Amino acid sequence: DTGVSQDPRHKITKRGQNVTFRCDPISEHNRLYWYRQTLGQGPEFLTYFQNEAQLEKSRLLSDRFSAERPKGSFSTLEIQRTEQGDSAMYLCASSQSTPWWEQFFGPGTRLTVL
Amino acid sequence: AQSVTQPDIHITVSEGASLELRCNYSYGATPYLFWYVQSPGQGLQLLLKYFSGDTLVQGIKGFEAEFKRSQSSFNLRKPSVHWSDAAEYFCAVGPNDYKLSFGAGTTVTVRA
Repeated sequence: DTGVSQDPRHKITKRGQNVTFRCDPISEHNRLYWYRQTLGQGPEFLTYFQNEAQLEKSRLLSDRFSAERPKGSFSTLEIQRTEQGDSAMYLCASSQSTPWWEQFFGPGTRLTVL
Repeated sequence: AQSVTQPDIHITVSEGASLELRCNYSYGATPYLFWYVQSPGQGLQLLLKYFSGDTLVQGIKGFEAEFKRSQSSFNLRKPSVHWSDAAEYFCAVGPNDYKLSFGAGTTVTVRA
């Protein structure tokens, strides 16, 4: 068990560019979550998947954001036409359906939009 | 809507001294309550949880927390801190079966 991994760990981009992040969950976990953490704040829920189905999306997830988990394993989070306000740490977590609350977090991808 | 408040942004404590971090929640019923720790460069790690029953719960790394319904609080404590306890601590609630709602966090600095 290598834990949850995220790639890249850091991303610097210019406003208007598209970026994509990858999350590899713990292999036996069927749930995968994305959170966003801005400076001085706690993580905020964005979306989650059970297997390949995206079951819930926060209103924080504007139409510029899209997440996929095509085969129920790794997930990608894409941000189109990035804005400076998108600068944040993007956290991925995974869990089993039960107990759902035992979410294991990855180290995060820090996005800086210039 | 459920919310979590952590009144202390930053706490400094001497090594070996006791630590208490405050957490207040707002929710119609008793939610699931959690404390997480985030060390630099590390992912969030679950310290302990409360669902029901005994209001004093024990967690990892020598931490404990007490649920007080009358005060809507779930404070985290440790009797004697170690330098390795320097980190950011988040209280969270889980009002449903998928989403964690976190407070803004408390940064703990440990001085020698």
